[in-house]
Amino acid sequence: AQSVTQPDIHITVSEGASLELRCNYSYGATPYLFWYVQSPGQGLQLLLKYFSGDTLVQGIKGFEAEFKRSQSSFNLRKPSVHWSDAAEYFCAVADLYNQGGKLIFGQGTELSVKP
Amino acid sequence: GAVVSQHPSRVICKSGTSVKIECRSLDFQATTMFWYRQFPKQSLMLMATSNEGSKATYEQGVEKDKFLINHASLTLSTLTVTSAHPEDSSFYICSATSGPGGYTFGSGTRLTVV
Repeated sequence: AQSVTQPDIHITVSEGASLELRCNYSYGATPYLFWYVQSPGQGLQLLLKYFSGDTLVQGIKGFEAEFKRSQSSFNLRKPSVHWSDAAEYFCAVADLYNQGGKLIFGQGTELSVKP
Repeated sequence: GAVVSQHPSRVICKSGTSVKIECRSLDFQATTMFWYRQFPKQSLMLMATSNEGSKATYEQGVEKDKFLINHASLTLSTLTVTSAHPEDSSFYICSATSGPGGYTFGSGTRLTVV
């Protein structure tokens, strides 16, 4: 069964510093991968997604992610973090051709931004 | 863009009563809806998948008689928590899809059972 692992539960970065959030997946075929952000008490907002093609994906709010099949990873990056980026970040994988296309989420990484 | 409206955003109910949560796709037809549950500081756990006009498929460990899901139309799915108890208190989120890879989430419902 597919799964997603986010090794870092909590990360703190300084405002203006670069950011990388790790995501590893387990899936037998070509994965469909997503990154979402969630503010407290809110729903999820899609940052970016990867289906195929260019392995470097650009998203909203200056985020990007790189799909590396050899490492089973889909890490999220941002060159310069803003205080408003503080939130919970979820990586997810979907099986679009089985199991109803459901999304399986990682455990999440809480991002704190210090001034 | 696609919008999913979820109501209510917050609800407090007494133990033993039932609560209904609605999710509506406002500008697209949702062939499939997913219902998730999220405990504080935890990830989203899929509860069930529903397709319009058919019975929901529940994940292992989810009581289908407690969490009733109805997907009667292509724009509306409901989750009813029956005979709610304090341990059912949680954040419930729906997600709708109209095709491969397109998932739109509702804003969530905070359920508190007292």
